[in-house]
Amino acid sequence: DAGVIQSPRHEVTEMGQEVTLRCKLISGHNSLFWYRQTMMRGLELLIYFNNNVPIDDSGMPEDRFSAKMPNASFSTLKIQPSEPRDSAVYFCASSQGLAGGSGELFFGEGSRLTVL
Amino acid sequence: GDSVTQMEGPVTLSEEAFLTINCTYTATGYPSLFWYVQYPGEGLQLLLKATKADDKGSNKGFEATYRKETTSFHLEKGSVQVSDSAVYFCALLNFGNEKLTFGTGTRLTIIP
Repeated sequence: DAGVIQSPRHEVTEMGQEVTLRCKLISGHNSLFWYRQTMMRGLELLIYFNNNVPIDDSGMPEDRFSAKMPNASFSTLKIQPSEPRDSAVYFCASSQGLAGGSGELFFGEGSRLTVL
Repeated sequence: GDSVTQMEGPVTLSEEAFLTINCTYTATGYPSLFWYVQYPGEGLQLLLKATKADDKGSNKGFEATYRKETTSFHLEKGSVQVSDSAVYFCALLNFGNEKLTFGTGTRLTIIP
């Protein structure tokens, strides 16, 4: 079974450009998490969805960031306009739902974003 | 709120050395505890877990015991290998929650 698939793996863009990161969940998973990882701030949860519904977006830095789940297997994270401080590795992770205590998140390989 | 504190890194050890990475937590109730590992260029993956006090999680030669009295979940391995070089994250999940609380990660480098 394929794991969580993220694209693009690497993105280099200029300040002010729109960036769209994509994620395909593992089949059968119903929870989706977007994380950002930097050396300075470590691993940060940006937003998570359960059954396509955004549950907690308190980690989204500001209005320039938006995330959607148009269907049960796919999500996008958009940054518009991008800024150099958005440079980071963005991870998508899915699960069958953590509330039961299993705790297993399945991470994609990440999208490394560089904003010049 | 819930929180996880890990020992500061980076940690550098010689091959076959004994490894301990400390992790303590603060949480209400009775959380489940986890260690995730991130190999270079990859996402995190679950290494081991323990769901109640005195449980021991183990995988790939790594072990961690859920100690409620000391609110700790230290990661240990008796003889590390170069392939164990990675970043290790301690995490907790309170029952009924949907979000894992991660520590800051500890970078481990094993030299031959």
